[in-house]
Amino acid sequence: DAKTTQPPSMDCAEGRAANLPCNHSTISGNEYVYWYRQIHSQGPQYIIHGLKNNETNEMASLIITEDRKSSTLILPHATLRDTAVYYCIVRVGAGGGADGLTFGKGTHLIIQP
Amino acid sequence: DGGITQSPKYLFRKEGQNVTLSCEQNLNHDAMYWYRQDPGQGLRLIYYSQIVNDFQKGDIAEGYSVSREKKESFPLTVTSAQKNPTAFYLCASSRQTGSTEAFFGQGTRLTVV
Repeated sequence: DAKTTQPPSMDCAEGRAANLPCNHSTISGNEYVYWYRQIHSQGPQYIIHGLKNNETNEMASLIITEDRKSSTLILPHATLRDTAVYYCIVRVGAGGGADGLTFGKGTHLIIQP
Repeated sequence: DGGITQSPKYLFRKEGQNVTLSCEQNLNHDAMYWYRQDPGQGLRLIYYSQIVNDFQKGDIAEGYSVSREKKESFPLTVTSAQKNPTAFYLCASSRQTGSTEAFFGQGTRLTVV
């Protein structure tokens, strides 16, 4: 069974903030939320991850709800190069298990000019 | 530069032939993964390895084999038993301690004719 649920596609205007939701209602206490993106015909690229606090880096911000059952990835000023499939993954943290890093189908984000 | 390398980028084989896809990393990562991606689909896990000389089946291991004789190498063999081998194959690696973000190669597109 999928651990995360994401909308299959979203549109966002260039220059606007893109907010990508992810539901992970069965997340365990030791599982992190990871986000990756995949531009067409390339390997996925790591974006950000978090456990329970909100996180920000040079690419994006990650907002995790207090009950940790959902999160939102925010691209603050979307550009055309941000058009990609975005994957939300929950995964046990460092040394926590022999899981295989499972991807779902992700959200296809299309940035409109 | 450190990274993960897949070769070749494109590969053509005749039906019934085994073919081996190369994956090499110089990131000193313990864990390595193989995924398959079909058009418009997410990534499906084939095999993964947490440590040298050990590996586990993923969700779609039938028709594939792997070896992990060296830390930096995790080759994938697509055997003649794999019914639909034409796909985009992605290799990834990650640490087992600290941050477990995964790094991906650029993929090998295998076409079986």
